[in-house]
Amino acid sequence: DGGITQSPKYLFRKEGQNVTLSCEQNLNHDAMYWYRQDPGQGLRLIYYSQIVNDFQKGDIAEGYSVSREKKESFPLTVTSAQKNPTAFYLCASSPGDSYDEKLFFGSGTQLSVL
Amino acid sequence: AQSVTQLGSHVSVSEGALVLLRCNYSSSVPPYLFWYVQYPNQGLQLLLKYTSAATLVKGINGFEAEFKKSETSFHLTKPSAHMSDAAEYFCAVSLTGGFKTIFGAGTRLFVKA
Repeated sequence: DGGITQSPKYLFRKEGQNVTLSCEQNLNHDAMYWYRQDPGQGLRLIYYSQIVNDFQKGDIAEGYSVSREKKESFPLTVTSAQKNPTAFYLCASSPGDSYDEKLFFGSGTQLSVL
Repeated sequence: AQSVTQLGSHVSVSEGALVLLRCNYSSSVPPYLFWYVQYPNQGLQLLLKYTSAATLVKGINGFEAEFKKSETSFHLTKPSAHMSDAAEYFCAVSLTGGFKTIFGAGTRLFVKA
């Protein structure tokens, strides 16, 4: 089955620690995204990538970093500079070739601070 | 700039009752509109989308939405609620797809037996 796999499902971060969230897709999509979800705030875009080896900041990129070395992978690192990292993180992808395209989502990673 | 507003963070209905989830958008040109559903601890999945082909859009699980340009609305309805419909619903608007998709704050639907 084609889809998006996020791991781990739950992650705990200690003070001053960087943590990396994994996102892999086998849909052959060009575009990939990271969203942060907080209760009552909907989804906010952290970073997106429209093609391998290229990515752009979204609305709330501070304290996060990404890489896109392979088409199928788009890992997100939550750095120690992100002072309020507790949230549900969603990875998504889309073909990247039409204006009305839907987003395909992974099942998310819940990040909490110890 | 485009934006989307969902009226009501929580909606509660009885099983078998009409479901109505409200969404209003703001856009300088006709946008593409989407409704997504999120079950607990899962990602979002597409319910339906409007792309100007027809104003009444039918989606999965018996849901439908009507695009009303004069009211800048795209409300989601289902004639008869089922317990399995309990979830969070997000309205989204896009002009150019993908990274330009803007999500509303979400409406959590509760279904009472």
